[in-house]
Amino acid sequence: AQSVTQLGSHVSVSEGALVLLRCNYSSSVPPYLFWYVQYPNQGLQLLLKYTTGATLVKGINGFEAEFKKSETSFHLTKPSAHMSDAAEYFCAVSANAGNNRKLIWGLGTSLAVNP
Amino acid sequence: NAGVTQTPKFRILKIGQSMTLQCTQDMNHNYMYWYRQDPGMGLKLIYYSVGAGITDKGEVPNGYNVSRSTTEDFPLRLELAAPSQTSVYFCASSYRTGGGYEQYFGPGTRLTVT
Repeated sequence: AQSVTQLGSHVSVSEGALVLLRCNYSSSVPPYLFWYVQYPNQGLQLLLKYTTGATLVKGINGFEAEFKKSETSFHLTKPSAHMSDAAEYFCAVSANAGNNRKLIWGLGTSLAVNP
Repeated sequence: NAGVTQTPKFRILKIGQSMTLQCTQDMNHNYMYWYRQDPGMGLKLIYYSVGAGITDKGEVPNGYNVSRSTTEDFPLRLELAAPSQTSVYFCASSYRTGGGYEQYFGPGTRLTVT
């Protein structure tokens, strides 16, 4: 079985500060890992994903995430927060095996960016 | 491509009424999903479909029904609406790539049952 834990339901940073959103997963098979962003009153859109290969993944809007198998983590970072980054962020995992067509979702982290 | 479209954007229902939430995708994706999103609860999978004529239950299917007669459309039916079904509903679609089943989302339908 797979699961996702996002540490911190709310994170607040100052504009220009480092953004770090934490995601830990459990999976009995190699995972595919995803970060999605949801802006207010909108649907979710893909920020970045890890499939295989390079463990540091770059996404849109300056975000990146590093897959660390030994720590079962896939934390999302951005060096310098912008006001437009205020949104809800979701981490998700699916199995890199078999025919698993579903994503397992974390509960989300709401990011606030203060001027 | 319009991607995934959902109608209506907003709806208020009275208890016991029924309605259909529409979802259409123009990306020729085989897989489609219905989620509900409640504050602080993340996304809960209601139903999903792996192709026309094939549907399966997710985590929270009670009170909902789906059908998939075409690749493009995946409507969600609410029978006998209850206040517990007040939520934001998202439809998503995906296809098999080398990197799993990345999902594409619609803009959502905000439903209130009173």
